[in-house]
Amino acid sequence: QQQVKQSPQSLIVQKGGISIINCAYENTAFDYFPWYQQFPGKGPALLIAIRPDVSEKKEGRFTISFNKSAKQFSLHIMDSQPGDSATYFCAAKRGGHTDKLIFGTGTRLQVFP
Amino acid sequence: NAGVTQTPKFQVLKTGQSMTLQCAQDMNHEYMSWYRQDPGMGLRLIHYSVGAGITDQGEVPNGYNVSRSTTEDFPLRLLSAAPSQTSVYFCASSTRTSGISDTQYFGPGTRLTVL
Repeated sequence: QQQVKQSPQSLIVQKGGISIINCAYENTAFDYFPWYQQFPGKGPALLIAIRPDVSEKKEGRFTISFNKSAKQFSLHIMDSQPGDSATYFCAAKRGGHTDKLIFGTGTRLQVFP
Repeated sequence: NAGVTQTPKFQVLKTGQSMTLQCAQDMNHEYMSWYRQDPGMGLRLIHYSVGAGITDQGEVPNGYNVSRSTTEDFPLRLLSAAPSQTSVYFCASSTRTSGISDTQYFGPGTRLTVL
């Protein structure tokens, strides 16, 4: 049972283009939606996160768009750079200190010069 | 701060062998977790702990044991290794907070191969 569905599995973008990764969730009790970035040979690291009281959050070239009614959220990387090449994971979590992060299956992004 | 450290970085086991993956954090975080990462399956939670002396099962706990005798350390034990446990294992820690920061800090991972 996959509670967070992520697509696409892989993505190839040219330098300067926009990368878009989508996630859909099922549990309406989720109230925290982070994105993690993982470089080869490294552990994942938090990139950006959103709570459902806002529809968009932007940090530099990275933006999360959140659609509560559709139960979907997406990561947009503007002006994609070769250094953005990594695997990206979306995740979701219910409120409460002991609730656990549920991760999507990951998207491997390759940005070519 | 070293953050979250894991040892060893790589390990090869034969089927049936046992071993312990070490994890330590120096951030005084209450929560610690173990994940496994497999191609196409994302990160799946094995076991987690909300504090010293308290552990609980995650999504894929079978074949693994954990204990949490101190805040800093959270070892993962493979009792009798099987080829299905070939994976990359990540330890993570986070702090208890009611604010926006539910950040999980991941270690560098242990790549385990079971022959």
